[in-house]
This record gives sequence, structure tokens and C-alpha cells, in this order.
Amino acid sequence: NAGVTQTPKFQVLKTGQSMTLQCAQDMNHNSMYWYRQDPGMGLRLIYYSASEGTTDKGEVPNGYNVSRLNKREFSLRLESAAPSQTSVYFCASGTSGGAGETQYFGPGTRLLVL
Amino acid sequence: GENVEQHPSTLSVQEGDSAVIKCTYSDSASNYFPWYKQELGKGPQLIIDIRSNVGEKKDQRIAVTLNKTAKHFSLHITETQPEDSAVYFCAASRSGTYKYIFGTGTRLKVLA
Repeated sequence: NAGVTQTPKFQVLKTGQSMTLQCAQDMNHNSMYWYRQDPGMGLRLIYYSASEGTTDKGEVPNGYNVSRLNKREFSLRLESAAPSQTSVYFCASGTSGGAGETQYFGPGTRLLVL
Repeated sequence: GENVEQHPSTLSVQEGDSAVIKCTYSDSASNYFPWYKQELGKGPQLIIDIRSNVGEKKDQRIAVTLNKTAKHFSLHITETQPEDSAVYFCAASRSGTYKYIFGTGTRLKVLA
């Protein structure tokens, strides 16, 4: 099993450009998550999907959209990138959904917005 | 809003010594507390977790303790080794929600 995979690994964007971060998991998990990690701020939840067909906002959703394409894939889209979105983005999937589940993280996407 | 405070932000210990990282949470309804280890260039990995009905849990050299009254929990690593060097995150969550609140991380350096 590959676990949770993310593409791309690195990306440089100019302000105003758009892009989609891809995430896939092969563990048959129902729940999937997108986090951003900034220095000194830990991990903050952007959006999550409790199951295929549902998505909900997390702590910092502004400027992002998500799509749960199917059970395996959960993408994050930046429609008009801003320098404040420079960060490391992690996708995760969860074993059972909700509190008490084990979350498995991908390797991350490092995004720089100029 | 809910938050989790984590201390210290950096910790250096000699190989073989113990390391302790502490977290305090604000939401008294939190009932699940995982700890993650993040190595350079990788995503966080779960290393141990504890639920609110348990006061302590051990897994080889790693242990976690929970004090519900004081709303804090701690990670203890004994007999530290160089490969323990990483950033450690605590988190808190509660039943009925998919949201985890993470601490700001502790960079642990184990000096050989």
C-alpha cells in the first residue's frame, strides 16, 4: 500500500494564479482532511470530508475549495493564490471518522506564492 | 475558541536522558489526545494516543499521561536516542467532531 500520496511535492505560483493539490489514499478510509502547516502555528484544518460526497469547512477555509472526487481522492483548489497561502499542505485520511480515529498523513506539498 | 498550548517549543537532551513535552487544552469536552512525530520533510506520524477514560498509557520507551482535572497531558520519552530527534505535536479532539486542534510543536534534539 502506498498510503496517502500527494502531488505535486513542490510548487511556485505567482499571486493570482490557480492550482489544484491532489491527494489519494489506498486504505479504504472514509474520512479525508486538508491541513496547512505554518512555522510556529502547528497544523490547522482547512477542509475535511467525513465520507464520499460530503465536505465541510475547518478552521481556515477562506481562499480554498475542495472536491471529494470519490472515496480515494480529495483535492484542494486555490482559485486565486495569495502570498498568505505560502505554506506546507498536508492531506490525511482517517480510519473510522471523528474523534479517536487514527489519521494517516501524506508527505506534504510545499507551496510558495510570490 | 478552542486551543492547545504546547511547551517547550524546543528541547535538547543528551542521549539516554528522558524528554517530557506538555500540552494544555481548553475544551473540557475533549476526550481523545494523540501525539504525532514529524521527521524532516515528512508528514506527521501517530506515535501514541490516549483517551479520557485512561490516565496513562505506555508503549516501550514512550508514555503519555492525562490529567483531566487540570486539562493537560504529557509525552514522556525515556532513554532517548538520536533517531528520536524530530518535531512532536500534540492534539485534542472530542466525540461528534472531525476536528483536531493541534499544538504548535516541540522540536526535540537528542545530542549524541
